[in-house]
Amino acid sequence: EVQLVESGGALVQPGGSLRLSCAASGSSFSSHQMSWVRQAPGKGLEWVAKIIQDGSEKSYVDSVKGRFTISRDNAKNSLYLQMNSLRVEDTAVYYCARDWRDMTSGRPFDYWGKGTLVTVSS
Amino acid sequence: DIQMTQSPSTLSASAGDRVTITCRASQNVDIWLAWYQQKPGEAPNLLIYKASILESGVPSRFSGSGSGTEFTLTISSVQPDDFATYYCQHYSGRFRSFGQGTKVEIK
Repeated sequence: EVQLVESGGALVQPGGSLRLSCAASGSSFSSHQMSWVRQAPGKGLEWVAKIIQDGSEKSYVDSVKGRFTISRDNAKNSLYLQMNSLRVEDTAVYYCARDWRDMTSGRPFDYWGKGTLVTVSS
Repeated sequence: DIQMTQSPSTLSASAGDRVTITCRASQNVDIWLAWYQQKPGEAPNLLIYKASILESGVPSRFSGSGSGTEFTLTISSVQPDDFATYYCQHYSGRFRSFGQGTKVEIK
């Protein structure tokens, strides 16, 4: 059974930085792409970033490009999101989600963490 | 970027009703479309992937159809546990995006 546990959420001032972590249990972490998804209070889901299995390709939603960096450490079964130049509008619950393995499996986001809250406010 | 548009935004239904939610993509996403259910305070839960494949453990009253730019999620007979918010998501290529969500409320 796969479990994803996020950590690192906090209250931070605008312009500040934060690093989120996602610890994965189970043996399949390195064989799957991974994504971060966020949800502002009372709002819908927004995909934030994705990283492929070996970390060589990273993709971002336009609103975080140049400010956020996704990374992973397969030896530690861990996913990260470095968030710089934070804005009030980045306030949200941040989820990590197991993305698909490949087109053959075609199952996206089949496991999610419970989320970690990031609040950007002065 | 591919934009996903769901309709309606809110839907009122009684237990036993047939419910249909529509999702439109701004570009062809082939069959790379998923549906999720989210209840308040919880993470989303995968229901359907590849437009029409039911995720293991999801009740058979849920079904998905469509391809290209038009997709539907149908609940054949909505149950009390189904009152929640539903999101579509495209997942082709490097990027992903979600629809804005459809809240299914008790009438």
